[in-house]
Amino acid sequence: EPEVTQTPSHQVTQMGQEVILRCVPISNHLYFYWYRQILGQKVEFLVSFYNNEISEKSEIFDDQFSVERPDGSNFTLKIRSTKLEDSAMYFCASSVMGTLQETQYFGPGTRLLVL
Amino acid sequence: SQQGEEDPQALSIQEGENATMNCSYKTSINNLQWYRQNSGRGLVHLILIRSNEREKHSGRLRVTLDTSKKSSSLLITASRAADTASYFCATDSYGGATNKLIFGTGTLLAVQP
Repeated sequence: EPEVTQTPSHQVTQMGQEVILRCVPISNHLYFYWYRQILGQKVEFLVSFYNNEISEKSEIFDDQFSVERPDGSNFTLKIRSTKLEDSAMYFCASSVMGTLQETQYFGPGTRLLVL
Repeated sequence: SQQGEEDPQALSIQEGENATMNCSYKTSINNLQWYRQNSGRGLVHLILIRSNEREKHSGRLRVTLDTSKKSSSLLITASRAADTASYFCATDSYGGATNKLIFGTGTLLAVQP
């Protein structure tokens, strides 16, 4: 069964460094998402992406964050200058069409620790 | 309370027993989904129920939805130790631009062998 994959599974970085989290969505899916989950808290929506542009973003997704689909398979989340509070599990998700009654499939997550 | 709150926060049962988790939400929805998360791992989609559906089954899972009460329940029958995980409900954003999901706080289920 097709899966969303994410790399790396864990990343440790120093505050102020740039990180790029990578995702490979399911191949026939057109909508892509990033969510994050701070330890012990809810899963929070960050951004949705379709047709090479951001469809919607949350208040969390400020100028330090960016997303890109650099090729036909990868979907990346970049944090330009990491802060301690960016430490979280980051989940990528994808769905076929992004319609309102559709399942989103999540990857296993990247655990980011900012020191 | 916030959109998507589950209760109980934690539930401990014996293998073979049934587990019921509840979710309440505040705003109108198009659908509600349940996900499972094993400790520190990814989110696994369990079931989606549409706003015009009242009940849905998938294997040992039974989900109900009461839009008048803005609540849903997830029942796991004949639980197994492998069902030990956190369970989250997630609602869509009615009228939103895209299908972003709003997650609840989760119920931590422990099934004792």
